[in-house]
Amino acid sequence: EDQVTQSPEALRLQEGESSSLNCSYTVSGLRGLFWYRQDPGKGPEFLFTLYSAGEEKEKERLKATLTKKESFLHITAPKPEDSATYLCAVDASGTYKYIFGTGTRLKVLA
Amino acid sequence: ETGVTQSPTHLIKTRGQQVTLRCSSQSGHNTVSWYQQALGQGPQFIFQYYREEENGRGNFPPRFSGLQFPNYSSELNVNALELDDSALYLCASSPLGANVLTFGAGSRLTVL
Repeated sequence: EDQVTQSPEALRLQEGESSSLNCSYTVSGLRGLFWYRQDPGKGPEFLFTLYSAGEEKEKERLKATLTKKESFLHITAPKPEDSATYLCAVDASGTYKYIFGTGTRLKVLA
Repeated sequence: ETGVTQSPTHLIKTRGQQVTLRCSSQSGHNTVSWYQQALGQGPQFIFQYYREEENGRGNFPPRFSGLQFPNYSSELNVNALELDDSALYLCASSPLGANVLTFGAGSRLTVL
């Protein structure tokens, strides 16, 4: 069964304290791994797509990496505005039917 | 680009009632998907529409149904509401050939 697991469930960081979020997946054939950011009461906002092991993408303080079994979202020197829930999803069929993890709730303290 | 817009933003229903949620997808996006997100959980795939036909369904009962219109707008209908249907319902669209979903802000449904 295709599955996505994210850890930790929640993370509190001081401003400037770098860390990583983990997304491990079990799928029969990965067609894409996606990271989204979700603010309270809002829909998910697209961050990155990764397709193959070894691939990396960066955007401001965020960097996403992919291996054959997991993906990491590295947050460098976070700011309070980075506080949100970060969702990982996989597409195992190439048909946009994403399987999401339960997310990591990140809180960055000033 | 106008984004993905959903209505209503919030609504309250009682058990047994029926609800219709609406989505206007982004210009040029001909695939629309619906997801259910319970509190503290990740979104779960309900179904997808492409060219006005259902193109895949997740593990949801038949009382969840949908429509897609020629202008790529869409509806999600839920009959015989249950307490567990309380959730944020998300509509997402994508252009043909691009494997990225753009989500709307969602409709928050509370079933009492």
